[in-house]
Amino acid sequence: EIVLTQSPATLSLSPGERATLSCRASQSVNIYLAWYQQKPGQAPRLLISEASDRATGIPARFSGSGSGTDFTLTISSLEPEDFAIYYCQQRINWPLTFGQGTRLEIK
Amino acid sequence: EVQLVESGGGLVKPGGSLRLSCAASGFTFSSYSMNWVRQAPGKGLEWVSSISSSIGYIYYADSVKGRFTISRDNAKNSLYLQMNSLRAEDTAVYYCAKDGHTGGFYYFDYWGQGTPVTVSS
Repeated sequence: EIVLTQSPATLSLSPGERATLSCRASQSVNIYLAWYQQKPGQAPRLLISEASDRATGIPARFSGSGSGTDFTLTISSLEPEDFAIYYCQQRINWPLTFGQGTRLEIK
Repeated sequence: EVQLVESGGGLVKPGGSLRLSCAASGFTFSSYSMNWVRQAPGKGLEWVSSISSSIGYIYYADSVKGRFTISRDNAKNSLYLQMNSLRAEDTAVYYCAKDGHTGGFYYFDYWGQGTPVTVSS
């Protein structure tokens, strides 16, 4: 099973700041990695697929990068609605696995 | 507009059974793989099971293998999860999720609102 480790567990930033979230895989997942955003009481929303492809309707301030075992989700300038929990997920191997999440909170 | 509506959750005793359903609309259901993902209270996301569009491929997490059965009825645009021998650790919100591409397995681009399952005596 591929283990995805996200860091930091919690990130405290202010609106307008840049957020950098990390996801590290226990073995190479090539580029087969996605990022999701989840707000309290809501279902997750797909942000990024194949490491760097923004999903339909996702603002340009969200970007993804990386390949192999190290991946980054960057939010260039935080908006109030961006404070949420973010998960990475790999699809190269079964079982599909998620990271444990990074909580992005308002400082 | 893509809609996924789960139903069938509830309170069940350990060892009991439940059948979850997911009614899909707004897309060609028979063309997409479908998935179940769960989230225990206050915890992260856990993939549960996936089924290909033509039912040729089915996968399960080890934690549910042998107890849960995923199925679909393309004529009814519906996805199902039969859950048997339920345990306290199966307590979670269960989400139905659509695959993002036709053919094969991709990522989850649309999710239902979730149906809660509580396993407790």
